[in-house]
Amino acid sequence: DAGVIQSPRHEVTEMGQEVTLRCKPISGHDYLFWYRQTMMRGLELLIYFNNNVPIDDSGMPEDRFSAKMPNASFSTLKIQPSEPRDSAVYFCASSPVATSGGVYTQYFGPGTRLTVL
Amino acid sequence: AQSVTQLDSHVSVSEGTPVLLRCNYSSSYSPSLFWYVQHPNKGLQLLLKYTSAATLVKGINGFEAEFKKSETSFHLTKPSAHMSDAAEYFCVVSGGYQKVTFGIGTKLQVIP
Repeated sequence: DAGVIQSPRHEVTEMGQEVTLRCKPISGHDYLFWYRQTMMRGLELLIYFNNNVPIDDSGMPEDRFSAKMPNASFSTLKIQPSEPRDSAVYFCASSPVATSGGVYTQYFGPGTRLTVL
Repeated sequence: AQSVTQLDSHVSVSEGTPVLLRCNYSSSYSPSLFWYVQHPNKGLQLLLKYTSAATLVKGINGFEAEFKKSETSFHLTKPSAHMSDAAEYFCVVSGGYQKVTFGIGTKLQVIP
């Protein structure tokens, strides 16, 4: 299995531009997560999906952020318009249905390093 | 409600000496607990997970962690540090329904 795939790995853009981050989860995983990692705030859960449906988006910082999952093998996180404070590493993770004992294990992609100038 | 506290933001050990990274948690449910490792400019890799089957959990690269319910702890240990262990380690608690909480991370430095 190729693991969770994210693209691009690095993105540099100017303030005000639209940014789209992409994620392909591990095949067969029912859950998909978007995280943001910064030095100041650590790792924050932005949103997660179950079977392509957004379940909890309470971590999405503001309306400039949106996420979609049109099918089981693809998700996007969009920032429009982007601002310098959005600079961070964005991780996508996926998880199968809980194993016995109710344990959910998340598998992370390599991340997208976003720099907004 | 759930929370996780990593008691040390930085730990420094000499190569070949034991490693101890401390983690305390709180959860309203029977928790699932994980340790992840992140090497510089890399994604997070699962080290080990607590499944309630055994309190002592063995992970990859010689790491293990012991779940102690009475102390609400899940400390990560390794008998002998290797240079390649230098990384950031995250303790994670999940109380159910995929809601996970990450600790702030502990940066492990290994001195040759």
